[in-house]
Amino acid sequence: DVKVTQSSRYLVKRTGEKVFLECVQDMDHENMFWYRQDPGLGLRLIYFSYDVKMKEKGDIPEGYSVSREKKERFSLILESASTNQTSMYLCASTPSRSGPGYTFGSGTRLTVV
Amino acid sequence: AQSVTQLGSHVSVSEGALVLLRCNYSSSVPPYLFWYVQYPNQGLQLLLKYTSAATLVKGINGFEAEFKKSETSFHLTKPSAHMSDAAEYFCAVSDASGGSYIPTFGRGTSLIVHP
Repeated sequence: DVKVTQSSRYLVKRTGEKVFLECVQDMDHENMFWYRQDPGLGLRLIYFSYDVKMKEKGDIPEGYSVSREKKERFSLILESASTNQTSMYLCASTPSRSGPGYTFGSGTRLTVV
Repeated sequence: AQSVTQLGSHVSVSEGALVLLRCNYSSSVPPYLFWYVQYPNQGLQLLLKYTSAATLVKGINGFEAEFKKSETSFHLTKPSAHMSDAAEYFCAVSDASGGSYIPTFGRGTSLIVHP
């Protein structure tokens, strides 16, 4: 089975801190995605990547950046954390852009205080 | 442009009763359609997907969904609910419009199962 591993299940950070959320997948998938999930709003796409060193903005990229130095790793960076970034963050990967659906990680619940 | 509407943020059923979770979509081109399930404090897991083959799609855990083009619907059903089915369910639509297959997710339906 494909595994998507997010390094932290729970994080508490202070306002203004730089925060790194790490995601690693073990099945050589080309495509990786970062979503945030908030009650009543569903999943919203932050950034995605179709290849190493490549990144594309999703629907809500403001306040975030990403890094993809290796195919298996896709990092989400909060440059200066704010309380409105308190959320569940979900990483996902898929081998091709059409068809098979996503494999999701277990999520990182981030609280910014 | 694509969009997804899940009718009902919460659905409550008794154990053993029929489960019906509704999903309607809009898409300008033939879509791919998905249902995902999310158990508490976990990520999303793919339940089933429609990719233009059979219109009745069977998934894991006894769930199935039927693609109805005329109704632009992809409702999820299970004949008999089990307590372990209590979770959040997300419908998603994906198509090639705009050159991308990035899916759009619905806002989710929480399934509550009573003993």
